[in-house]
Amino acid sequence: AQKITQTQPGMFVQEKEAVTLDCTYDTSDQSYGLFWYKQPSSGEMIFLIYQGSYDEQNATEGRYSLNFQKARKSANLVISASQLGDSAMYFCAMREGSFGNEKLTFGTGTRLTIIP
Amino acid sequence: KAGVTQTPRYLIKTRGQQVTLSCSPISGHRSVSWYQQTPGQGLQFLFEYFSETQRNKGNFPGRFSGRQFSNSRSEMNVSTLELGDSALYLCASSLEGSGSPLGWEQYFGPGTRLTVT
Repeated sequence: AQKITQTQPGMFVQEKEAVTLDCTYDTSDQSYGLFWYKQPSSGEMIFLIYQGSYDEQNATEGRYSLNFQKARKSANLVISASQLGDSAMYFCAMREGSFGNEKLTFGTGTRLTIIP
Repeated sequence: KAGVTQTPRYLIKTRGQQVTLSCSPISGHRSVSWYQQTPGQGLQFLFEYFSETQRNKGNFPGRFSGRQFSNSRSEMNVSTLELGDSALYLCASSLEGSGSPLGWEQYFGPGTRLTVT
């Protein structure tokens, strides 16, 4: 079974609009972390935002916010006021595992294209 | 502070050869993880090194190996290359690595694109 599911292979959004990228996860661990990364065409993975499973508040980093709904096992990324430079692949990832034996599992990604 | 660097950026090898990729983490980071990214399988975890010891390992054959030096620089080796090993190999560094209560924030390098012919 997929541990991280990103159901939107591609999205087209008008510049300056807000966009929500979906991510659902599956784990039986009580302690885990959720990450979003951006991968431009250059290939480098850029860390955007992190949410710990025990964090009660949704994480925010500038124009990025993470809509964390623990009961639904959902960790959607919201980008406000999208810009042309936001065009890239976006990956949701989950950190799980026991202490000292953790690893990151990535979703299949969403290709976001911002239209001028 | 300099980011994660990977060398070489591009590599073309022939089936059956072996290859070594290098990763220099951010200064002060002690954990280095390696990932393979292919169009078919996506991003998959290879292994993590911390203080010169392999701490975690993904589900890859023994042809994939790595090591970490005392300065935290890491190398990844793939022996007897197969066509399916063609991929973008990404290295990521973090301060403490897995087990840290700090969230294990990883910073990725630009990757090495390996093509096996």
